[in-house]
Amino acid sequence: GAVVSQHPSWVICKSGTSVKIECRSLDFQATTMFWYRQFPKQSLMLMATSNEGSKATYEQGVEKDKFLINHASLTLSTLTVTSAHPEDSSFYICSARGPSSQGQGNQPQHFGDGTRLSIL
Amino acid sequence: DAKTTQPPSMDCAEGRAANLPCNHSTISGNEYVYWYRQIHSQGPQYIIHGLKNNETNEMASLIITEDRKSSTLILPHATLRDTAVYYCIVRVNNQGGKLIFGQGTELSVKP
Repeated sequence: GAVVSQHPSWVICKSGTSVKIECRSLDFQATTMFWYRQFPKQSLMLMATSNEGSKATYEQGVEKDKFLINHASLTLSTLTVTSAHPEDSSFYICSARGPSSQGQGNQPQHFGDGTRLSIL
Repeated sequence: DAKTTQPPSMDCAEGRAANLPCNHSTISGNEYVYWYRQIHSQGPQYIIHGLKNNETNEMASLIITEDRKSSTLILPHATLRDTAVYYCIVRVNNQGGKLIFGQGTELSVKP
């Protein structure tokens, strides 16, 4: 159980285009989803947290107009990189967490396999 | 936010137990300790988590000290496929319970 599917797994596109990445929880309802970015030989960096039906909360330094996040259902969140440029090339990873009966509780996050984005 | 400190790298012989330490001296009383691992070019994989008591599952055991200022992840019989970066994370209770990743420990299991 607790499978998170991310699509596409890799994408190459021209500078200036927008790219949409999908993140789906396949066998549980994800009340909270998270988007991370990882550059080569570095750790994961949290970009934003989104709760179903609410606006995403972005980490400091992450441009919300550049990285559009939609979490319209309990099983789907999307990240759109708008007007992508070569410096946006990175490994983007989503994660999802189900509801907890104890406030924030202790439900673990489950991660997708990531999307490798290359902007030419 | 409680921060964690892990050694940057460790080696382990195949078939032996791998003991990965983590310090989290500023942890609050109701914050959980989570362990994940990331194999190259994949998303992180959940391993185990705990609050106060030691925990065990099919993947690993988690030993948390009584004062909760440190913990150890134990892989009882390491295999070559356990080679990965292991992250010890104290989950932030507010702000959606987000996980902030540190640099982790790069575990190399050698034949």
